[in-house]
Amino acid sequence: QSALTQPASVSGSPGQSITISCTGTSSDVGSFNLVSWYQQHPGKAPKLLIYVGSKRPSGVSNRFSGSKSANTASLTISGLQAEDEADYFCCSYAGSNTLVIFGGGTKLTVL
Amino acid sequence: QVQLQESGPGLVKPSQTLSLTCTVSGGSISSGDYYWNWIRQHPGEGLEWIGYIYYSGSTYYTPSLKSRVTISLDTSKNQFSLKLNSVTAADTAVYYCARGGSTISDLDPWGQGTLVTVSS
Repeated sequence: QSALTQPASVSGSPGQSITISCTGTSSDVGSFNLVSWYQQHPGKAPKLLIYVGSKRPSGVSNRFSGSKSANTASLTISGLQAEDEADYFCCSYAGSNTLVIFGGGTKLTVL
Repeated sequence: QVQLQESGPGLVKPSQTLSLTCTVSGGSISSGDYYWNWIRQHPGEGLEWIGYIYYSGSTYYTPSLKSRVTISLDTSKNQFSLKLNSVTAADTAVYYCARGGSTISDLDPWGQGTLVTVSS
């Protein structure tokens, strides 16, 4: 099963909002509301931002929000801050054969 | 809070077996409804899920690596391990361990990761 499709890069200015898309298929994103999003700073481990499509773990800023429409999930970051500059990965449950797949990652640049 | 830490050789020769251990602290690996996962990241690339072991001991591996992977649990040491045999340069990556919740795809927390290079 192929990786989920994310834009290679997005950018925004401090204070703005940006959205990162994650496109899958009817076999993964479209069939299950089990998309998670991760933030990874250079040289660091990924950090869970969103799970089950739109839930935030304790301690994650409410500037991060998740949603889904058909086969595409989205991560929106509002009120961009310099510290948000990082790589972002989506992840989805993909059924009983493949189980878990990731997106290729999106590099966010805060201008 | 639960913390995970990977350990193992940073250099493995081609055709040999890559062996890594993840030590869990701050909680018992055999309590709770958790999946204990291995994920890797090739240099400069995205994440690839390798597989998990459930707290009960059952395992599941990604199809592309299934023939070469074994994940095991050592509850006495509060650790779980990864073995990947017949490695090639394509297996050079940073390897992470992570705890998965009830949905499998919610991975939290992660270990810091360990770079494994396959080279003679």
